[in-house]
Amino acid sequence: ETLMTQSPVTLSVSPGERVTLSCRASQGVTSNLVWYQQKPGQAPRLLIYDASTRATGIPARFSGSGSGTEFTLTISSLQSEDFALYHCQQYNNWPWTFGQGTKVEVK
Amino acid sequence: QVHLQQSGPGLVKPSQTLSLTCAISGDSVSSNTVTWNWIRQSPSRGLEWLGRTYYRSTWSVDYAESLKSRILIVADTSKNQFSLQLNSVTPEDTAVYYCARVAGGLFHSWGQGTLVTVSS
Repeated sequence: ETLMTQSPVTLSVSPGERVTLSCRASQGVTSNLVWYQQKPGQAPRLLIYDASTRATGIPARFSGSGSGTEFTLTISSLQSEDFALYHCQQYNNWPWTFGQGTKVEVK
Repeated sequence: QVHLQQSGPGLVKPSQTLSLTCAISGDSVSSNTVTWNWIRQSPSRGLEWLGRTYYRSTWSVDYAESLKSRILIVADTSKNQFSLQLNSVTPEDTAVYYCARVAGGLFHSWGQGTLVTVSS
């Protein structure tokens, strides 16, 4: 199965900073990559799909890029509500697989 | 608006069976455009897909290879819900379990999550 590796595991940042999260696939997944945001005690929420398309209602400060095996989620200016756990998931190769997550925490 | 409501015990003894149910509102378990999935999350494993059921003129299931020998997912059309059974549980099965509706590979809607602890 396709192994998804996210880095870093934890990112300590201050509000207003630009944040870049990485996700790497062990084999090509074309652009079939989705990002989820998860807050404590909640289920994941779909942020970006097809590697770069924001889901309905997602602010423009979130952007995604990449294709093949290397992907990036960027938050242009971190807001207080953005401190959370972020997951990537590929849906190109069966079975669908998730990364281990990157926690964005307050510095 | 699809809503998934999970139910089931939060504590299961080792070697026994974990059973959870996911009730669907706003969609049909018999929909032929989506699949109905179970996922779990633990600090050591992150999000782990467990299995799914779906209807495409007949019912089908797929399971994670690592769990095939002890997992069962069943749809109940009369109650518009689907269920998870995981047999012979060990403490390693302790996790938050989620049900989810998936379309096009995207996990669009999730249940609220159930923390299941395996302990005597």
